[in-house]
Amino acid sequence: AQSVTQLDSQVPVFEEAPVELRCNYSSSVSVYLFWYVQYPNQGLQLLLKYLSGSTLVKGINGFEAEFNKSQTSFHLRKPSVHISDTAEYFCAVSDRQTGGFKTIFGAGTRLFVKA
Amino acid sequence: NAGVMQNPRHLVRRRGQEARLRCSPMKGHSHVYWYRQLPEEGLKFMVYLQKENIIDESGMPKERFSAEFPKEGPSILRIQQVVRGDSAAYFCASSPQGLVEAFFGQGTRLTVV
Repeated sequence: AQSVTQLDSQVPVFEEAPVELRCNYSSSVSVYLFWYVQYPNQGLQLLLKYLSGSTLVKGINGFEAEFNKSQTSFHLRKPSVHISDTAEYFCAVSDRQTGGFKTIFGAGTRLFVKA
Repeated sequence: NAGVMQNPRHLVRRRGQEARLRCSPMKGHSHVYWYRQLPEEGLKFMVYLQKENIIDESGMPKERFSAEFPKEGPSILRIQQVVRGDSAAYFCASSPQGLVEAFFGQGTRLTVV
């Protein structure tokens, strides 16, 4: 069985500061990894995904994430955040055999960017 | 190309009533997934459907919940005799055949009073 742990439920940060949102997963099989963003009262939007290849993945809005197989982590980073980045961020994992339909989501990290 | 469309966006039902949530996938997408998001929690997989077929419903509660994706028309998630614990945001996602990534709708927020 797979699981996803987002280590911080809330992350307050000042505007233009760097941020890291942490995600660890457990799985007995090879996985795909995702980060989604959810703005208030909206659906989920894909930020980035790791399928294979380079372990450093770049996404939209200046975000990037690094897949670390030995530490089973997929932390999300941004070097300088904006007020508009305030949202909830979800890390997700799916196994390569079943594909995306049974994607397992973490509980979310609420990023709050302060002026 | 419109995105995944869910309606209604907000739905209020009294305990014991039925709730019907609709999802129109993106054009060309034949796979639909339903997820539930409880307050302060992540999304939980409920059911995976293709046209006229339920592929996996391992996340669906055994009673009162059903889903369909007919040959024509939207996918429907139906909750009979709603209870307060059914209050949540229900998200639909769709994907083309064989693609890993799913595209999400804006969700239906169900409130049971």
